[in-house]
Amino acid sequence: DAKTTQPPSMDCAEGRAANLPCNHSTISGNEYVYWYRQIHSQGPQYIIHGLKNNETNEMASLIITEDRKSSTLILPHATLRDTAVYYCIVRVGSNTGKLIFGQGTTLQVKP
Amino acid sequence: NAGVMQNPRHLVRRRGQEARLRCSPMKGHSHVYWYRQLPEEGLKFMVYLQKENIIDESGMPKERFSAEFPKEGPSILRIQQVVRGDSAAYFCASSPHDSYNEQFFGPGTRLTVL
Repeated sequence: DAKTTQPPSMDCAEGRAANLPCNHSTISGNEYVYWYRQIHSQGPQYIIHGLKNNETNEMASLIITEDRKSSTLILPHATLRDTAVYYCIVRVGSNTGKLIFGQGTTLQVKP
Repeated sequence: NAGVMQNPRHLVRRRGQEARLRCSPMKGHSHVYWYRQLPEEGLKFMVYLQKENIIDESGMPKERFSAEFPKEGPSILRIQQVVRGDSAAYFCASSPHDSYNEQFFGPGTRLTVL
């Protein structure tokens, strides 16, 4: 699975959009980009995933560049409850479904 | 539809004892994954199971650790002769039949080895 690079930490003001970047320059054509988050001590929570088109759901939007070498997770109106570690994961949905977690980005939403 | 259930939530064992961690996947999910998170570290994949089959155990320590997902009942992660270094949070996740799907994680079991 491709390696990802994320900034170790970011701050965001409550109510503003949080834009979390991820670089995956070695991504292969059949690899998906997944985002999960882990709120302190809880189990990770799935947010969104995509292959090459931009995706949006009730939690967030995922913007993938045309060359697929990077992506951005957007939380449109961050709240204090969005404070968490956010993981960008690239993987092939083959018969081995393991997720390889990096260090992630610690997002601190401030009032 | 209840989420992924794990029990116990907290488990304390003395060195040399056995630890048995249970995971009940979401209804209709036939894929189970176990991950370990050591203190102040990231999540590490351990094993991927389908009913009665181990699909990928590349993250499992070679000794003392085993996992099963029987036809009936929960998935079990078993740690024999625990050592202090086994103290960690163990998370279970499940997904439907298609491995492209997202994984749904349980609340974890916090194992403390005295």
